[in-house]
Amino acid sequence: KAGVTQTPRYLIKTRGQQVTLSCSPISGHRSVSWYQQTPGQGLQFLFEYFSETQRNKGNFPGRFSGRQFSNSRSEMNVSTLELGDSALYLCASSPGQGPSEAFFGQGTRLTVV
Amino acid sequence: DQQVKQNSPSLSVQEGRISILNCDYTNSMFDYFLWYKKYPAEGPTFLISISSIKDKNEDGRFTVFLNKSAKHLSLHIVPSQPGDSAVYFCAASDGAGGTSYGKLTFGQGTILTVHP
Repeated sequence: KAGVTQTPRYLIKTRGQQVTLSCSPISGHRSVSWYQQTPGQGLQFLFEYFSETQRNKGNFPGRFSGRQFSNSRSEMNVSTLELGDSALYLCASSPGQGPSEAFFGQGTRLTVV
Repeated sequence: DQQVKQNSPSLSVQEGRISILNCDYTNSMFDYFLWYKKYPAEGPTFLISISSIKDKNEDGRFTVFLNKSAKHLSLHIVPSQPGDSAVYFCAASDGAGGTSYGKLTFGQGTILTVHP
């Protein structure tokens, strides 16, 4: 069974630009969650999508948005990039109903210059 | 407001001995807890989980203990191996009617070093 796939693995963008990250969950999983990891703030929850609907949202500004497609693949978009957005962005997939472990992808390392 | 705390930034253990990693939480609504292992620039790898209806769960060398009254959980690794050296995160979720398990709240992590 294929794991969670995130693309691209590395990205360098300039301040003010926008970026789109992609996540393909494990087959059969309907929930995709996104997290940001920075040295100072640790792993922080961005949002969760389930069956194409945002089900949970963390405390991030509106520049961070996402969506989920009918095949459960998800994208995350960050507009008007700031230097502080440099981080490892992780997505996790899970079946989506009831308590279960979330499986993470390798992450996308975003550097904003 | 840090709802999940790992108060030990690092832990050093000799190969073959027990590693005990600790985690405290403040939100009494949390009802599912997980431990992850992480290497730099990679995604976390799931290790073991426990529901709040249990106080212990074992999987091979890994055992998680949950003390609900103290809002404390711990991960025991026996015996520890050099390959266990990594950052360990505890995480918690709150079912809230079955819709919120997709949101994990993480601790800050503990760096475990196992010396040969």
